[in-house]
Amino acid sequence: EDKVVQSPLSLVVHEGDTVTLNCSYEVTNFRSLLWYKQEKKAPTFLFMLTSSGIEKKSGRLSSILDKKELFSILNITATQTGDSAVYLCAVDNAGNNRKLIWGLGTSLAVNP
Amino acid sequence: GAVVSQHPSWVICKSGTSVKIECRSLDFQATTMFWYRQFPKQSLMLMATSNEGSKATYEQGVEKDKFLINHASLTLSTLTVTSAHPEDSSFYICSATGGDQETQYFGPGTRLLVL
Repeated sequence: EDKVVQSPLSLVVHEGDTVTLNCSYEVTNFRSLLWYKQEKKAPTFLFMLTSSGIEKKSGRLSSILDKKELFSILNITATQTGDSAVYLCAVDNAGNNRKLIWGLGTSLAVNP
Repeated sequence: GAVVSQHPSWVICKSGTSVKIECRSLDFQATTMFWYRQFPKQSLMLMATSNEGSKATYEQGVEKDKFLINHASLTLSTLTVTSAHPEDSSFYICSATGGDQETQYFGPGTRLLVL
């Protein structure tokens, strides 16, 4: 059965800290891995990763994929209170309709 | 990125009534739309996948007669919660993909409270 596992489930840090969020997956036909940020509303798209070893970067956020070891990490440097959110990882398993397989998310709280 | 809208943002209704939620792709043609439900502090749960012009594919455990989905055009899908009950209170989110879009883009969600 296809699955996506995120860790940790929850994380509390101080402003300025760097955090690393993990996402591992087991899917039959991998197409891409996606990261989303969800605050008190619907998820917003962060990154889509399809190739191993190529870092995607947006400001203080970056992400990389390892297709051999079947995982991805999302890094946030110099965290701010506005980074507090649930970070969701999802995998597109190349099936019909581009249905995504979702992890449970990592809840990040950044304290001032 | 692509823009997806949902209407309404919030709805409060009495038990037994039906509620319709609209999902629109504003700047691309959405060949596929997805409907999710999310309870507090839980992850997204896919309810159904709908392709324009065909019947929706429901996930296991989701009652298709209770959650009616219509995807009549490339920019609009609707979810109707029929005879809503308090246990249907949740955050309903749609997403859309299609054309050149490589991933799903989410609408802002609709919070439903059934009294």
